Amino acid sequence: GAGVSQSPSNKVTEKGKDVELRCDPISGHTALYWYRQSLGQGLEFLIYFQGNSAPDKSGLPSDRFSAERTGGSVSTLTIQRTQQEDSAVYFCASSPLAGGTDTQYFGPGTRLTVL
Amino acid sequence: AQSVTQPDIHITVSEGASLELRCNYSYGATPYLFWYVQSPGQGLQLLLKYFSGDTLVQGIKGFEAEFKRSQSSFNLRKPSVHWSDAAEYFCAVGAEPGGSYIPTFGRGTSLIVHP
Repeated sequence: GAGVSQSPSNKVTEKGKDVELRCDPISGHTALYWYRQSLGQGLEFLIYFQGNSAPDKSGLPSDRFSAERTGGSVSTLTIQRTQQEDSAVYFCASSPLAGGTDTQYFGPGTRLTVL
Repeated sequence: AQSVTQPDIHITVSEGASLELRCNYSYGATPYLFWYVQSPGQGLQLLLKYFSGDTLVQGIKGFEAEFKRSQSSFNLRKPSVHWSDAAEYFCAVGAEPGGSYIPTFGRGTSLIVHP
């Protein structure tokens, strides 16, 4: 079946511009996570959605970052006024239940480059 | 708070040799433990997971891992490495239901395979 998809696969933007990254999770998965991976680093948690509950935003690095999940499915991560330190690969993952106890299925990532 | 340590940043092995990647965790109760693999330019894929029961867990691609509560470890092993195993490997710890729904990932170990 279809896995997690993300778009775009690559995004190059200029410093100060806003960007939107999209995630389509596996149908029926209630949990959705955003992570980012800077060059040579591990995964950094950003935000977590579980069903219709309020998202856990504890990993967002600044108020320039926001995310929403519409209809319990598609999610969009928005970065306003991008900075060079925002350059990274952004991964989305979904899981049938809660990822702390369940397998996470990762998308291929969006590589963001801020010039 | 839960944490994961992967003490080896890089591991180099010859094709056909055995492999062990180390993972140590810190968690107050029985953890949910995962190993994921990330091939270059790809998202993470689950290799195996441990929730309970037999402490020796078999995964895909010929990998296995052993949970040792006394050592707080969950090391990944493979008896004979193939060149296609060259990738980044991440250990992760989750939580029991009712605990944190945000799994914690280690920094990753990069596996290099020499012909």
